[in-house]
Parts: sequence; structure tokens; C-alpha cells
Amino acid sequence: ETGVTQSPTHLIKTRGQQVTLRCSSQSGHNTVSWYQQALGQGPQFIFQYYREEENGRGNFPPRFSGLQFPNYSSELNVNALELDDSALYLCASSLFLQGEETQYFGPGTRLLVL
Amino acid sequence: AQSVAQPEDQVNVAEGNPLTVKCTYSVSGNPYLFWYVQYPNRGLQFLLKYITGDNLVKGSYGFEAEFNKSQTSFHLKKPSALVSDSALYFCAVRDSTGGFKTIFGAGTRLFVKA
Repeated sequence: ETGVTQSPTHLIKTRGQQVTLRCSSQSGHNTVSWYQQALGQGPQFIFQYYREEENGRGNFPPRFSGLQFPNYSSELNVNALELDDSALYLCASSLFLQGEETQYFGPGTRLLVL
Repeated sequence: AQSVAQPEDQVNVAEGNPLTVKCTYSVSGNPYLFWYVQYPNRGLQFLLKYITGDNLVKGSYGFEAEFNKSQTSFHLKKPSALVSDSALYFCAVRDSTGGFKTIFGAGTRLFVKA
């Protein structure tokens, strides 16, 4: 096990709703990244938080937002859900060094948007 | 721009035979390269990484990978496959020039037949 947990494991929402996904990082890890993994694809980078501030973002619209807290937990918020948001959402925690650090992934939250 | 290609959707190998899962990459600076494995309904598990140094990297569960700068490849290998190695394998790259973003390949499904 990686020591990274995510909740909930599964979630069903309808189009237009808002959702919050949660992640608990490994103790001491100052960086968390969020990924979207659509069915049959590799994980796509959404954004990264370092010491509670966003320090990088992939090609995702602003309705994808996040928070990182001092207690090593974090959230991914998605507003105005669309059908294409259906995917497995993964968080990964790491201790930021110079980019070579290993990321430890949680089991993911599977989101279905109807 | 960074990119990763895994040219094979699926690799089939008999138990006890050597296996190779291919990966090629493109980055502007020096690459940080990673291999992860994903089992059904699980998050990604770290196998190994290349940062610098010896081109042959050894990782978990008997896996190793060979970094080839001239061919921009980072193929995953194992001398003797096990049925339990059957899973989805992802190659990932990060750019050493200050990049925070990890790019994943689309994944290769490994099927080991008893």
C-alpha cells in the first residue's frame, strides 16, 4: 500500500452538479497532484499543489479547482459537471525535490456523470 | 512539448519467458522516466525510475528498464514473466528543466499465459 487514501471510492452525479473528491497524502509529503484517467487511457495531469498553493496546471478548464491543507489532505472540486468528466480520478502525493521525486498514488475515485 | 508513446496496446507472453514493454518519449530537457503498474480497481503502483546514471535501472518485483538516449526509449523488461504480472503498465516522463507536469503513455496491457 502507498499510504495514500481517497474518498469516496465511487460516485454518481448528474450533469450540471458539483462534486468534491478527497485525498489524504502520505505524512510529510508536501506535494499532491491530481489526474483524470478516462476509460482505456493513461492518466491526464490536472494540477499540482505544493505547500497549499497551485504550482502547475494541465489542460483542464477553471471549473476544475483544488485545495491542499496543512494536514496532508487535499480536495478536487469540479463544477458544472459534464458527461465527459466521467473517469477515474487519481491523486498522487510526493515530497517535492527537483522533479525527480516518486509519486505515490491513491486507489482513485470513480466518477460517473449521467 | 513532452510526450510518451507506448506503441503496443497489448503484449502477450508465456509464463517463464522474458517480457518487454516498449516506451519512447520526447522532452526538451533531460528526462525523468517512470514505470507504473495498475491492477484492476487499484491505483498506480511505482515500479522504477530513471533520473541519471546507469542506463539499466532495477525496480520492484524483478522488473528492470533500459534507458537509451539515442533512441529516446525506456523499455520495461523482466527476464521471466509470472502470471501475476498480468496488468496494465504505464510509462511516464517529466522534463528536468523545471517541469512539474508528468505525462503518461496510454498504457500497455500485459497478459501472461500459464
